[in-house]
Amino acid sequence: QSALTQPASVSGSPGQSITISCTGTSSDVGAYKYVSWYQQRPGKAPKLMIYDVSYRPSGVSDRFSGSKSGNTASLTISGLQAEDEADYYCSSETGNTTLAFGGGTKLTVL
Amino acid sequence: QVQLVQSGAEVKKPGASVKVSCKASGYTFTSYFMHWVRQAPGQGLEWMGVINPSGGSTSFAQKFQGRVTMTSDTSTRTVYMELNSLRSDDTAVYYCARDAELNRPWSLAVAGVCWFDPWGQGTLVTVSS
Repeated sequence: QSALTQPASVSGSPGQSITISCTGTSSDVGAYKYVSWYQQRPGKAPKLMIYDVSYRPSGVSDRFSGSKSGNTASLTISGLQAEDEADYYCSSETGNTTLAFGGGTKLTVL
Repeated sequence: QVQLVQSGAEVKKPGASVKVSCKASGYTFTSYFMHWVRQAPGQGLEWMGVINPSGGSTSFAQKFQGRVTMTSDTSTRTVYMELNSLRSDDTAVYYCARDAELNRPWSLAVAGVCWFDPWGQGTLVTVSS
């Protein structure tokens, strides 16, 4: 069981916006700011999409944005495209000298 | 460009050991920590630990302490992850993943204050009798 809770699945139509949540506790997401998000397409390695809650690495589309409020971090994808269909994972330090990942969210583009 | 190339798939029997390699190119090898993350079939990601290729310091998730070893060879720009006493639930794809931050303080990396970019292509390790 993951320390960080994500919805199992979300879906949206092309052009729409969707948000994926990542809920932790005051000991991880709530206490620390270093939440990251990864995209994993089927059969591929994960790809860093967001770090430090809201920063995008070079080369990542500005349609991807991150935020945090209290114990919940969020990844928002605007202007959904078919290529965004993938699994998305959040991660955060836990305050227990380790890093935890969320259970992952499958994004379906309808 | 930065690239991590891992060794090929392995099939092991319960109780055996497996050693996975990860060869880096395209950046200063000793300036970035290397992490290992695994993913069981159909499951999520699990952080295993980190190695500093400059000096070889390591830190492991509590779950793997005593069973995992991570080493580095600066002459070949390769890091290795060895997992011992394999069980069926160790069947997973094992990824090496470079720390995304240049010269991140070690204290932050071992505390989980880290993110990974890029990742290797993954190595499937199957444990079966």
